[in-house]
Parts: sequence; structure tokens; C-alpha cells
Amino acid sequence: KNEVEQSPQNLTAQEGEFITINCSYSVGISALHWLQQHPGGGIVSLFMLSSGKKKHGRLIATINIQEKHSSLHITASHPRDSAVYICAVNNNDMRFGAGTRLTVKP
Amino acid sequence: KAGVTQTPRYLIKTRGQQVTLSCSPISGHRSVSWYQQTPGQGLQFLFEYFSETQRNKGNFPGRFSGRQFSNSRSEMNVSTLELGDSALYLCASSSLWGRDGYTFGSGTRLTVV
Repeated sequence: KNEVEQSPQNLTAQEGEFITINCSYSVGISALHWLQQHPGGGIVSLFMLSSGKKKHGRLIATINIQEKHSSLHITASHPRDSAVYICAVNNNDMRFGAGTRLTVKP
Repeated sequence: KAGVTQTPRYLIKTRGQQVTLSCSPISGHRSVSWYQQTPGQGLQFLFEYFSETQRNKGNFPGRFSGRQFSNSRSEMNVSTLELGDSALYLCASSSLWGRDGYTFGSGTRLTVV
């Protein structure tokens, strides 16, 4: 079993829909990261969380340390949100989930 | 400010050769970490450097090595290349061991033939 599990693996949504991507982990962590990767490979760091909730524009990330679970929400999704979203946790090193491929259709 | 710069962007090497990849962090960042991304294994941590010292190393064979210079630029080297080393190699920089988040470079896509 992977130490970082993401769900779903693939997600297709219509423009405007509310989207949730989930991440569960089984190791102790100092922080959890949500990353966005577009075709071509470039990775953008969206959030770093150690507790609670963060919001940036239409993106919201939450973490429950006791349950070892985090969610990434996208409100009013747009085709430009189409990308792979990756959850990563900091232990002594960085462990990654397999990613969620999001496609938002106009 | 300038982002994280990785060179070269693309590289084709032959099995058995060695390769050196370069990463220049954001000015003022002293931590550089390296990652390998393949379709089969996804993203995997290679190593992290802070102030010229290797802080952590992932589960990769000794053919993978790295170093960091006094100006925080980092290089990684892969010797005796294998076909399975074909991957996107990414580096990321941070000011405080990732505690303030990471900024990633665009990556070097290595193809081993």
C-alpha cells in the first residue's frame, strides 16, 4: 500500500462544477503539499499545509492531522484548471501520491 | 525574481554513459531537492541539499549522486546510464528546507537509448 493515496485517479467535470480531490497518508508528516502539473511537466506548488485550511482564489485546501487526510477543492472549475494534481507529504523526505488527472470541459 | 533554472531541458544519452544535470535555485534559496518522474513510478525523491550538505537521500542506487556549490547551485550526476533512467528530472528550491514551500524548475527530460 502506498504511503500517500489519492482519489480519484481521473476526474472529468463540466465547467463551473465544484471539484474535490482527496489525499490520505499513513506516515507522520511535518507538512503536506498540493502541486499542479500541466502537460509539458512544469510543477507549480499550490499549497503547503501543516494544519487547518488555506484558500487561494478558487482553490481551497484542508488538512485533518488526526485523520491523516487532506482535500483540495476547486470552486467554479474552468477548463484552464485541467491538469494533474499531486499530493505530497514531507517526512524526512518527500513522498508523492500518484496524482489526479482533472479534465474540465467547457 | 528569476525562477528555478534547470539545464539542459532535453538530453539524449546512450546506455553506459554518464550525465550531469544542473539546477540554479531562486536567489537566496539555500535548499535544493531533486526528483525523478517516470510514467510507471510517478514522482520520487532523489536527494536534498542545504548549504552544500546532503540532508536526505531517497532510495536510489549509488549511480545517482549530487552536490551543491557555495552559491547554492546544484548538480546531479547519473553514471552508467540504464534505459530505465529515462525520466523527467525536476529540481526544487526552498529557503528553509521546504518549510516555506518549494519552487520547481521546468525539468530536464532525459532519454537513454
